[in-house]
Amino acid sequence: EAGVTQSPTHLIKTRGQQATLRCSPISGHTSVYWYQQALGLGLQFLLWYDEGEERNRGNFPPRFSGRQFPNYSSELNVNALELEDSALYLCASSLWMNTEAFFGQGTRLTVV
Amino acid sequence: AQSVTQLGSHVSVSEGALVLLRCNYSSSVPPYLFWYVQYPNQGLQLLLKYTTGATLVKGINGFEAEFKKSETSFHLTKPSAHMSDAAEYFCAVSVPRGGGGADGLTFGKGTHLIIQP
Repeated sequence: EAGVTQSPTHLIKTRGQQATLRCSPISGHTSVYWYQQALGLGLQFLLWYDEGEERNRGNFPPRFSGRQFPNYSSELNVNALELEDSALYLCASSLWMNTEAFFGQGTRLTVV
Repeated sequence: AQSVTQLGSHVSVSEGALVLLRCNYSSSVPPYLFWYVQYPNQGLQLLLKYTTGATLVKGINGFEAEFKKSETSFHLTKPSAHMSDAAEYFCAVSVPRGGGGADGLTFGKGTHLIIQP
């Protein structure tokens, strides 16, 4: 069974540009979570989607947004990129009633 | 809101020695608790979890953790460290919602475990 897959694995963008990160959950999982892992800041909760709706949001500005598609895959968009957005972005998925989250390998975003 | 504190950003132990990684949490309601491990350039892998029931939880790779409500702690232990245990370890908490499921995980800042030969 395929795990959580994220694409691309690496992304280099210029300050002010937009970045789009993608995540495919484990088959059957309806919940998708996004986390930012920046150097020295640990893992910060970004967004939680379930059944196509945003269920919860972390303390991030509105330029961080996303969506979940009918097949439960998800997209994270970061607009007006800043140097501080450089980080590893991790996606995780879980069953709605199951608290165990499975993580992908992450997308390394570098803003120059 | 819930929070997690991991004591010690770096912990160094000798191969074969006891591993103890400390985690304390804050939550207004009984939480779900997790330990994850992250190897370099990889995602997170679940080691073990506590939701309800037995407070001593056994996980993969010989790790275990005990939920102590009175101490608001969920420390991770392993009797004998192996070189392969060197990694970053994260404690996490989530708060069950009334309708089932839970909020997103709140992570501690992580503890880097170093194994000395």
